[in-house]
Formats: sequence, structure tokens, C-alpha cells
Amino acid sequence: DAKTTQPNSMESNEEEPVHLPCNHSTISGTDYIHWYRQLPSQGPEYVIHGLTSNVNNRMASLAIAEDRKSSTLILHRATLRDAAVYYCILRDVTPSYNQGGKLIFGQGTELSVKP
Amino acid sequence: GEEVAQTPKHLVRGEGQKAKLYCAPIKGHSYVFWYQQVLKNEFKFLISFQNENVFDETGMPKERFSAKCLPNSPCSLEIQATKLEDSAVYFCASSVLTYRGGYGYTFGSGTRLTVV
Repeated sequence: DAKTTQPNSMESNEEEPVHLPCNHSTISGTDYIHWYRQLPSQGPEYVIHGLTSNVNNRMASLAIAEDRKSSTLILHRATLRDAAVYYCILRDVTPSYNQGGKLIFGQGTELSVKP
Repeated sequence: GEEVAQTPKHLVRGEGQKAKLYCAPIKGHSYVFWYQQVLKNEFKFLISFQNENVFDETGMPKERFSAKCLPNSPCSLEIQATKLEDSAVYFCASSVLTYRGGYGYTFGSGTRLTVV
């Protein structure tokens, strides 16, 4: 699996937008970009995913660079509940029975939100 | 239901005892994954299943760890002769598809195993 690089931590103020960057310079053409987050004492939670185009859902937006070597998760108005570790993960869309479709987690970015 | 149910939430075992963890995936999800989180921000993949068949077991410590997903039963992860280093939170996740990168996974809330 291709590797992702994220800042260890970021801070945000409540009700302000947050841009969480992720570098994935070795991404292949068949890799989807997934984001998950883990709130304190909970399991990881799916946030959003994309392949080439920018994506929006009720939780966040995903902006993907034209060369796909980086992406940014955007929380439009951070709330205290958004304080979590955010993981950027690449998943190969090619069928691979040896791979088994597992997610390979990196270190993630710990986001803290100040009131 | 729409959640992955893991039981128990907490489990304490003495070194050398057996530990068994359970996971009920979302109905209709044919893929199940087990992960171990020892330290914050560090997830280790253990094993995955496609229905009752092992799909990928490359992360399993073979000597003491085993797992099953039988029809009409929760999946299980068993650790024989637990060691202190097995203390971790164990997460189960289920998914509709694996190899297609466009589908998300749903994780349970985990079982915290403490070996004393």
C-alpha cells in the first residue's frame, strides 16, 4: 500500500474551518483516498473518500490535487465534537485476493478544537 | 442493525489465561476485519474474513491467536495463553466489499483487553 504523510497535530477554534492536509506522493492510479477519524474511546469512523474529483458529504469535503499527490480534508465549521485523530488512508481498487482489502492506518493527525 | 456490535467492552485476564472476543457485523456485510490498537494512533491489522472464509491472515500471530466467522454466529477472536503484550483495544470492522476502494468500513467500539 502506498504511504501517506500527515502532520502529527493541529489546532482549530470552534466554528472555524479546518483544513487537514495529507501527502501521498506515491499514489497509484487505482488508489482511492479514504479518511477516517477516531474520537476518544471510540472505534474509527468513516468520514469521506474520493478518487479524482472533489467530494462533499454531510460531514466534510475532500479536495484532491490535480496530480493526486496530496489531498485536504475540510471541516467547514469545527465543533468540539470534531476533536479526534484523523487518518488519511489509500486503498487500492484493484481486486487483490492476497491484499484482502485491509486498511493500513498511518499515524494520523490529532485535531484539537478550542472553544 | 446498522452497527458493528463488539462484546465484551472490557476484559481482564491473568497472564496465561484465554481471552475470547466477539463481533457481530452489520447484516449483509460479507467482510469482517480485526485490528489491534496497542498504542494511540497505532493500528495493526490481524485478519479478515469473507463470510466464513479467511481472506487475509497475514497479521495474525499464529501461535496463540485464532479467529472464526461461522454462519449465524458472531465472529470471534481468541487468544490462548495471553501475554502482557496482548493488552490492547481490539476493533472489528465490517464492509460490503473489500477490493473496491470506494466502499467504507464500519467499525465497532472495540474490546479493551487488559492482561495482568
